[in-house]
Amino acid sequence: AQKVTQAQTEISVVEKEDVTLDCVYETRDTTYYLFWYKQPPSGELVFLIRRNSFDEQNEISGRYSWNFQKSTSSFNFTITASQVVDSAVYFCALSEPPGTSYGKLTFGQGTILTVHP
Amino acid sequence: DTAVSQTPKYLVTQMGNDKSIKCEQNLGHDTMYWYKQDSKKFLKIMFSYNNKELIINETVPNRFSPKSPDKAHLNLHINSLELGDSAVYFCASSQGFEGYGYTFGSGTRLTVV
Repeated sequence: AQKVTQAQTEISVVEKEDVTLDCVYETRDTTYYLFWYKQPPSGELVFLIRRNSFDEQNEISGRYSWNFQKSTSSFNFTITASQVVDSAVYFCALSEPPGTSYGKLTFGQGTILTVHP
Repeated sequence: DTAVSQTPKYLVTQMGNDKSIKCEQNLGHDTMYWYKQDSKKFLKIMFSYNNKELIINETVPNRFSPKSPDKAHLNLHINSLELGDSAVYFCASSQGFEGYGYTFGSGTRLTVV
């Protein structure tokens, strides 16, 4: 069965620091999809990235970057030069092959990030 | 234009009541989901519909009954509400099962008193 672990329950940083949120997953399949979502204090779930298991290229989007390493089953998320607006709960999620999971997302426990001014 | 909209945003009700939460998506997606977020922020899938057909039904009490009148709507009806049903319920949609465009609604905070 699939599992997602976000070992960091809470992280606290000061503005402009870089911060990395860890995500480790377990799956028996070779085809799967990984996601990151942000949940700000207002409560909505904001999509950040979707990555399929065959694409191991790292991705950068502005201050956000993602490091996908199949060898260690990790999909870590780094925020460079953090800002107060980055304060939120961040979730990593896994979806297994469409024929078995039918789009179901298995979420990690979430990491609460607090960025202090 | 809201992509996935849920109503109501807040719902406070007494134990034993029956209530419904509505969800509509205007993204043209063919798959819709209900997720529950508990007090510890843990998110877990409850149901999924594809083209109006139920395809995922996790271990959820049968007091919870989803209904999909068409591809764009997925409603959640809850009978005989219990204190433990208090949570935030999120509707989501995607195109197919590969997670394209996986979008969540803003959530419905249900409080049972």
